[in-house]
Order: sequence, then C-alpha cells, then structure tokens
Amino acid sequence: DIQMTQSPSSLSASVGDRVTITCRASQDIKHDLVWYQQKPGEAPKRLIYATFTLQNGVPSRFSGSRSGTVFTLTISSLQAEDFATYYCLQCNTFPWTFGQGTKVDMK
Amino acid sequence: QVQLRESGPGLVKPSETLSLTCTVAGAYVNSHYWNWVRQPPGKGLEWIGNIYFSGNTNYNPSLTSRVTISVDTAKNQFSLRLRSVTAADTAVYYCARSLSYGVDVWGQGTTVTVS
Repeated sequence: DIQMTQSPSSLSASVGDRVTITCRASQDIKHDLVWYQQKPGEAPKRLIYATFTLQNGVPSRFSGSRSGTVFTLTISSLQAEDFATYYCLQCNTFPWTFGQGTKVDMK
Repeated sequence: QVQLRESGPGLVKPSETLSLTCTVAGAYVNSHYWNWVRQPPGKGLEWIGNIYFSGNTNYNPSLTSRVTISVDTAKNQFSLRLRSVTAADTAVYYCARSLSYGVDVWGQGTTVTVS
C-alpha cells in the first residue's frame, strides 16, 4: 500500500494567517492527489484534485502544489470558515489511502 | 445535482454482518466508480473499497476477507456487506462517487455501532 504521511496533525492559527499542510507519499503517485476539508458532523468536501485543480466554488485562497512525492495544501489567508480538518487522498493506486488528517483550530 | 443517501441498521451485534445500501439520485450507477469510506469516532478516514458498474471491485486489503460491495443497476443502488464485525468496525460509513481523481460526491454518512 502507498502510505500518505500528513503533517502537522494539528495547528493553531489566526484569521489572516497563511497555513500550509503537507502530505508525503511513500512512492510516486504522479499528480493523483486530492485534498478534502471536513467540518464536525459533516461529510468531507473536495477542495483540490489532481494536485492543483480547484474544485468549482472553492475560494482561490486554497491552492495545491507538488515537489516530487511531497504535496502541499496552502491557505493563503485563513478565514473563519476554514477552521476544519483537512485530509489528503492518493488515488493513483488501489487501495486508495488517506493521510491522517490535520486539524486547523483557532489560536 | 448528484445526491447519495446511505441506509441500513444503526446497530449491529458483534460477529454479525453489517449491511448498508446507498441510493443514488441525479446520476446512474452504470457509470463511474462507487465507493465506501468509513470514519471511526474521533479518527480519520479509511477507504473501504469501490465497484464499477461492470462489477469490477477494489477492496482495502485490511478488509478484503470480510467485505463485499455490489451494485444494483435496476434500483440505482450499491451496497456494502461487512462480515464478522467487531467493536473496531464502529464508525460513520459514507458512500461516495468517483468521477475522476478520488471521491467527488459524498453521502451524508450513517453511524453504525457494533455492540
């Protein structure tokens, strides 16, 4: 199985902060990486797919990037509605595997 | 607008079989992949497996010996069966669609408790 190591597991930030979350794949997954946002009691919501592509309706403050097997989700200016848990998912090879999640809470 | 809704018992006894159904509206199960994902209380997401309308399935190796996913094109539904459940199978279970690049549409989730 491909392991997805996500970091940090949690972070505290303020509105307006730049936030960065990373996922490292245990092997090459090309661009087959998806980012999700999940709020308590809700299903996850796809934010970014194919490493870079923003889901329709997702604010442009969210962006994705890749350097080799390290993938990054960046929130350029954190807003109040962005406090949530974020997960990466590799969909290159079955079984698909999620990162462990990053909880973003208010400092 | 594509909508998915999970249904099934919320309580299952240990050693019995968990059975859930996902009803799809706004899309047809005779295309794309259809997935099950679960989330134990307070924990992260775990991909269980998926099925293509042709019947081709992919399962998480950690669950392969106990899981079956099937599709009913006549009812526009797909289903999950998980045998020999234990308390570790207590989770919110989501059904979800794969159009491209992972899961794009999720059901609301249903809580299943093994006790």
